[in-house]
Amino acid sequence: KQEVTQIPAALSVPEGENLVLNCSFTDSAIYNLQWFRQDPGKGLTSLLLIQSSQREQTSGRLNASLDKSSGRSTLYIAASQPGDSATYLCASNAGNNRKLIWGLGTSLAVNP
Amino acid sequence: ETGVTQTPRHLVMGMTNKKSLKCEQHLGHNAMYWYKQSAKKPLELMFVYNFKEQTENNSVPSRFSPECPNSSHLFLHLHTLQPEDSALYLCASSQEYQGNGYTFGSGTRLTVV
Repeated sequence: KQEVTQIPAALSVPEGENLVLNCSFTDSAIYNLQWFRQDPGKGLTSLLLIQSSQREQTSGRLNASLDKSSGRSTLYIAASQPGDSATYLCASNAGNNRKLIWGLGTSLAVNP
Repeated sequence: ETGVTQTPRHLVMGMTNKKSLKCEQHLGHNAMYWYKQSAKKPLELMFVYNFKEQTENNSVPSRFSPECPNSSHLFLHLHTLQPEDSALYLCASSQEYQGNGYTFGSGTRLTVV
């Protein structure tokens, strides 16, 4: 059974800092790994999707990597800004039914 | 606006009430999903519809009743709910069933009193 864990649960950093959010999964037979952002009380916004055959994806200041052998994905945020404050969720798409399995998220606060 | 619209944004209902949540997408997506998000828990997939047909019901209590009249609209009918059903209910859609590229609505914050 696939399990997804995100560390740390919460993170507070000063503006301008580069940071890394971690996501680990137990079943390496994934189809893809997805990162989402959720603002308080709002829905989810898709950030990056990494297919199982890929090692990383980039969008602006965001870079997500995937290492299936170790069951890990990282989301790197460069030059963080207060507007990056949100909860970041990762989800793995795995199994015969390709159901998304979600982590609990990392709550990020970027302080001006 | 994300392309998936959910109404209402907030709902307070008593345990004996009947209410409905609505979700609408005009992205041309074929699959639609209801998720429940509770504090300290991962997102829980409740129902999946693919081409208007229900393909998944993840052991959801019968007090939650989904309806998908067409590929653009999805409803969640609620009746005799319990306080533990209070949560954020999220609707999502994707081009293909369990495929890439999910679009989420902003959710309905439900409080059962």
